[in-house]
Amino acid sequence: NAGVTQTPKFQVLKTGQSMTLQCAQDMNHEYMSWYRQDPGMGLRLIHYSVGAGITDQGEVPNGYNVSRSTTEDFPLRLLSAAPSQTSVYFCASSYSRSNEKLFFGSGTQLSVL
Amino acid sequence: GENVEQHPSTLSVQEGDSAVIKCTYSDSASNYFPWYKQELGKGPQLIIDIRSNVGEKKDQRIAVTLNKTAKHFSLHITETQPEDSAVYFCAASTQPYNTGNQFYFGTGTSLTVIP
Repeated sequence: NAGVTQTPKFQVLKTGQSMTLQCAQDMNHEYMSWYRQDPGMGLRLIHYSVGAGITDQGEVPNGYNVSRSTTEDFPLRLLSAAPSQTSVYFCASSYSRSNEKLFFGSGTQLSVL
Repeated sequence: GENVEQHPSTLSVQEGDSAVIKCTYSDSASNYFPWYKQELGKGPQLIIDIRSNVGEKKDQRIAVTLNKTAKHFSLHITETQPEDSAVYFCAASTQPYNTGNQFYFGTGTSLTVIP
């Protein structure tokens, strides 16, 4: 049981490049989400999904896309990277939308030059 | 939406002393308050939580208190050890959760326990 797995751990992009951050969980969790963590700002919700085929925007969705084709995977796509997207990204999941305990992945540190 | 404030942003204590981290929230509908610990290079991990129908909860050396009237809750760590050094986040949520932002996080407290 690996929990929530994120790849890559580190990534450097140039402005304008696109990339996908991968997130997979093996706990059969319905709810999955993406957060970004910036100094002095805590964790802010980017996008979330309450089940396969269902996604919705969080607090800071601009510049990011998500899809949820399977229960296990919830990739986050940066369409055209900007320096403002330099951050640490965390994927988190919980058993269902009514189960409060969030399980976090180990994070992806992204730098956009 | 909800606004969660957390203080202090950094905290240093001697090993064996107690540490207290405080959070305030703005939305009276919030009824679930978890605390997460983030060790260096890892994701946050839930360490303790409290619901609005409870005033205090303990788990060994850690405890959380909640004052609904004043809209604040606190994390207490007693007999601190070097392995308690980490960043701690508080959060507030309205459960059962329906849609939108499920958790509102504080800005974090970096705790250093000096041996």
